[in-house]
Amino acid sequence: AQTVTQSQPEMSVQEAETVTLSCTYDTSESDYYLFWYKQPPSRQMILVIRQEAYKQQNATENRFSVNFQKAAKSFSLKISDSQLGDAAMYFCAYRDNDMRFGAGTRLTVKP
Amino acid sequence: EPEVTQTPSHQVTQMGQEVILRCVPISNHLYFYWYRQILGQKVEFLVSFYNNEISEKSEIFDDQFSVERPDGSNFTLKIRSTKLEDSAMYFCASSYRLDTQYFGPGTRLTVL
Repeated sequence: AQTVTQSQPEMSVQEAETVTLSCTYDTSESDYYLFWYKQPPSRQMILVIRQEAYKQQNATENRFSVNFQKAAKSFSLKISDSQLGDAAMYFCAYRDNDMRFGAGTRLTVKP
Repeated sequence: EPEVTQTPSHQVTQMGQEVILRCVPISNHLYFYWYRQILGQKVEFLVSFYNNEISEKSEIFDDQFSVERPDGSNFTLKIRSTKLEDSAMYFCASSYRLDTQYFGPGTRLTVL
């Protein structure tokens, strides 16, 4: 079964600084999708960014970018110029047929 | 921008009672999903639904759970006889293809 591991239960960043959240996964598939979702205190799941495994280019969405290392099965999220509104739980997710989530990283942003 | 909606936002029920959680997926989406998240834990896949039938289900999705798309717009999750451990946030999601899933705001189920 595919597993998703987020090794950082909590991370903290100073406002305007950059932070990187780690994610690794285990799979024998070659074609799949990877996602980062944000869950603020409202508990809604908000899509942050996605990456198709067949694409070598790292996905970027404004201040959010990923470092996708397919051979290493690593998919980290970099948040640049962190803002107070970025504070949330961040879940890494893997999908081929169904979706598997990591345990999450709680990000705190300090003013 | 179209979004997935869920009702109710919070449901309180007595143990042993049946509950139905409702979802309206994004209108042109073809794949529908239910997830649950017990407080403080990870999001867990329950079931996926395509072409009016279940396509995948997890070990959590036992005989007390069922899903239905009764009218072409709603997508429901029924829990027949709720247990205390069913207390969780339940998320509905939908996707057009087997790629990005868009989540609803969730229904908080509290079983007393």
